[in-house]
Amino acid sequence: KAGVTQTPRYLIKTRGQQVTLSCSPISGHRSVSWYQQTPGQGLQFLFEYFSETQRNKGNFPGRFSGRQFSNSRSEMNVSTLELGDSALYLCASSLAEAIQETQYFGPGTRLLVL
Amino acid sequence: AQSVTQLDSQVPVFEEAPVELRCNYSSSVSVYLFWYVQYPNQGLQLLLKYLSGSTLVKSINGFEAEFNKSQTSFHLRKPSVHISDTAEYFCAVSSFGGYQKVTFGTGTKLQVIP
Repeated sequence: KAGVTQTPRYLIKTRGQQVTLSCSPISGHRSVSWYQQTPGQGLQFLFEYFSETQRNKGNFPGRFSGRQFSNSRSEMNVSTLELGDSALYLCASSLAEAIQETQYFGPGTRLLVL
Repeated sequence: AQSVTQLDSQVPVFEEAPVELRCNYSSSVSVYLFWYVQYPNQGLQLLLKYLSGSTLVKSINGFEAEFNKSQTSFHLRKPSVHISDTAEYFCAVSSFGGYQKVTFGTGTKLQVIP
């Protein structure tokens, strides 16, 4: 079974631009979560989707948004990019939204904002 | 609110020596606890988790962790490390009833010295 895939793997943008990252979960998985990883802040939860509905949201500004499609694929969007948005963005999928279900992480999208 | 503290940012250890990576958590409700590992340039992988039952949980590659409710700890141990264990290890917590919203610690880099 294929793992979680994230596209693109690397991205360079300039301040003020917007960016869309994509995540394809493992086949059959319906829950997708997004995390931001930076050297200074570590791993921080962004949001989680289940059956196209956002179930949880972390403490990030409204510039960070996401959605999930009927096939469970998810996208996250960051508008008006800031230098501090440079990070590794990780997507994780699980069978269901219950925390007992193991999350499987993708390799991440590394975003650099200049 | 919940939080995780990993006091050691880096732990150097000689190959075949034992290692303990410390993790303490804070939560006002009952929790689930996890250890994830991140190898260089890779995504996160679940190492082991405590959901309920036996307080000692083990991974397939020789790591184990013990849930200690009175000390609010979930330290990770391995009796004899291998070069291939060199990675960053993250302790994480999620609350009962919470969906896939996981709070991560800042990580501990384990460096195994040959």
